[in-house]
Amino acid sequence: EVQLVQSGAEVKKAGESLKISCKASGYTFTSNWIGWVRQMPGKGLEWMGNIYPSDSDIRYSPSFEGQVTISADKSITTAYLQWSSLKASDTAMYYCAVRYTYGPYYFDYWGQGTLVTVSS
Amino acid sequence: QSALTQPRSVSGSPGQSVTISCTGTRSDVGGYNYVSWYQQHPGKAPKLMIYDVTKRPSGVPDRFSGSKSGYTASLTISGLQTEDEADYYCCSYVGYSYVFGTGTKVTVL
Repeated sequence: EVQLVQSGAEVKKAGESLKISCKASGYTFTSNWIGWVRQMPGKGLEWMGNIYPSDSDIRYSPSFEGQVTISADKSITTAYLQWSSLKASDTAMYYCAVRYTYGPYYFDYWGQGTLVTVSS
Repeated sequence: QSALTQPRSVSGSPGQSVTISCTGTRSDVGGYNYVSWYQQHPGKAPKLMIYDVTKRPSGVPDRFSGSKSGYTASLTISGLQTEDEADYYCCSYVGYSYVFGTGTKVTVL
């Protein structure tokens, strides 16, 4: 069974760094793109970027390039999303998702989400 | 890339049909047949409901259907049920990237 288990909620201060994780299981980690999606409080979904763990090919949304770093560790089948200096506007729920069953264009398995709260 | 435009809310009584529109441009919805729809209940992760404009993933009830005409995709829920009350987002693949819609709250009266 495909599962994505994300790390727990984080409370941080502006300016701090953070790395959240998405542990994948139940499929061949290196064969499928994993994406990250942001949902700010009370707002809609925003695609942040994708990574192909096999060769760490990464595609960022222009809105997020330079603001976050996406990475993956094949040895522990885990994808990451990190910030070097958080802002209050980074407060949001972050989801990882994998393109698995229905072709290369759709995310059909999702993590439970990681809530990041940044205080100023 | 701007978000695709959806109505803020739609509503209907149990058993009725509702349709949600998703309007984009020639560069996204109009240029690709890779439109999907996601359902999100409060506090839950999104769930894929429609892909390739019209196809339903395994397990999704056939009362959910999708279509597209020009720059506008649509999701129709026929025979509305109380559990269909949720937020719905369209999404278009745009050449190595994605753009989501603004989201629509479906209320079952």
